[in-house]
Amino acid sequence: ILNVEQSPQSLHVQEGDSTNFTCSFPSSNFYALHWYRWETAKSPEALFVMTLNGDEKKKGRISATLNTKEGYSYLYIKGSQPEDSATYLCANAPNSGNTPLVFGKGTRLSVIA
Amino acid sequence: DAGVIQSPRHEVTEMGQEVTLRCKPISGHDYLFWYRQTMMRGLELLIYFNNNVPIDDSGMPEDRFSAKMPNASFSTLKIQPSEPRDSAVYFCASTSHLRGTDTQYFGPGTRLTVL
Repeated sequence: ILNVEQSPQSLHVQEGDSTNFTCSFPSSNFYALHWYRWETAKSPEALFVMTLNGDEKKKGRISATLNTKEGYSYLYIKGSQPEDSATYLCANAPNSGNTPLVFGKGTRLSVIA
Repeated sequence: DAGVIQSPRHEVTEMGQEVTLRCKPISGHDYLFWYRQTMMRGLELLIYFNNNVPIDDSGMPEDRFSAKMPNASFSTLKIQPSEPRDSAVYFCASTSHLRGTDTQYFGPGTRLTVL
């Protein structure tokens, strides 16, 4: 994998359902993995930054895990709420750590009440 | 802090017109980034500055696009002449360092529509 890839591209879930999506990045060119949340008409906001294999971060009902050896991260949302509807972006900071982030195309989540 | 400020928030223009997007980064941040967001290509880095100096503009689509940062608190992205395929959301972001773990702080974006 040369670029950052996210799947699925879009997702519709019912309120109360738990969900997860994937970010894949080049394991050979990794320094840090970022997750951002972007609500339409607002600024993308940072959720997590992870660097270590096996890292797990949590913020409320949202959590993320990191596998640097195989080059993927999962974002989990427990008990989805309509206010969770947003595009979730992941970004890889390449090896050198002093170059701009490389973003995936995002997963667009819609939570239906 | 007010965060990264962008103006205008929405811009509708006709093909061939000049468009200027503006950004005020967070005070004290040495790095400023311009991104373009489309459904097809996601979030693309167009250009970034360090201490007001352009470092990498390889993402700028073509000569119609230009960006300047005359001082630490202001940057512009100009498209001249604009084309319908330039329609997108343009984000500005800033950060204090570029160490891989540093968060980039985004503005609310400018939604550009070229008719």
